[in-house]
Amino acid sequence: KAGVTQTPRYLIKTRGQQVTLSCSPISGHRSVSWYQQTPGQGLQFLFEYFSETQRNKGNFPGRFSGRQFSNSRSEMNVSTLELGDSALYLCASSLDGLNYGYTFGSGTRLTVV
Amino acid sequence: QKEVEQNSGPLSVPEGAIASLNCTYSDRGSQSFFWYRQYSGKSPELIMFIYSNGDKEDGRFTAQLNKASQYVSLLIRDSQPSDSATYLCAVIDNYGQNFVFGPGTRLSVLP
Repeated sequence: KAGVTQTPRYLIKTRGQQVTLSCSPISGHRSVSWYQQTPGQGLQFLFEYFSETQRNKGNFPGRFSGRQFSNSRSEMNVSTLELGDSALYLCASSLDGLNYGYTFGSGTRLTVV
Repeated sequence: QKEVEQNSGPLSVPEGAIASLNCTYSDRGSQSFFWYRQYSGKSPELIMFIYSNGDKEDGRFTAQLNKASQYVSLLIRDSQPSDSATYLCAVIDNYGQNFVFGPGTRLSVLP
C-alpha cells in the first residue's frame, strides 16, 4: 500500500516568488492536512481538507493557501515568499481526519534565499 | 490558546531501561491522544493513540492517560539505541477540530 507522497522533496526559491507543493494521500484517505516544521516552532498546523473542503485552518497568513481535488490529492501554495518560510512542509493523510491519527509524507524541504 | 507541553530533553536512559515521556495539555475537554516518533531528518510516524483513561500496551510501548490530571505519558520498556528519536505528543481538542502537537522530547538511549 503506497504511503503519502509529497513532491518535490527539495525546493529552493527566491524571496517574493511563489511556490506550490503537492501531496498524494494514501488511497482511501479523504482528509489531508499540512504542517510546517521548523527547529524553533516545531510542528505548526496550516490547514486541513476533507472532501475538497477546508475544514480547519491554523494561524498562518493568507499567503498560505491550499486546495484538495476530487481524488483527494492536495496542493499547498505560498505566495510572496519570505525568508522565514524556509521550513519542512509536511503533508499528512487520514481516513476521517482526526480519530485515527495521521500518516505523514516525507515532506518538502523549502529554502527561501 | 490550546497548549500541549513536553519537556524538550534530551532525556538520556541506558539501554535496557524504561524510558518515561510525559505530556500535559491545557484543554480539559480533549478527546484523543497520540504519540509520534520522529527520527532526525525523517517525518513523524504514529506509535500509539489512546482515548480512555488508563493504560494501553503495544509491544514495548505503553501509553497512559489521566484526564483528571490532564497528562498522557509514554513508557518504552527495554529501551534500545534505535529508540533514540524525538517523541511528539498530539492532542485532539474537545470539538474534534484541532490536532495540536507538543514540541517533542528528544530521547537518547545510550548503549
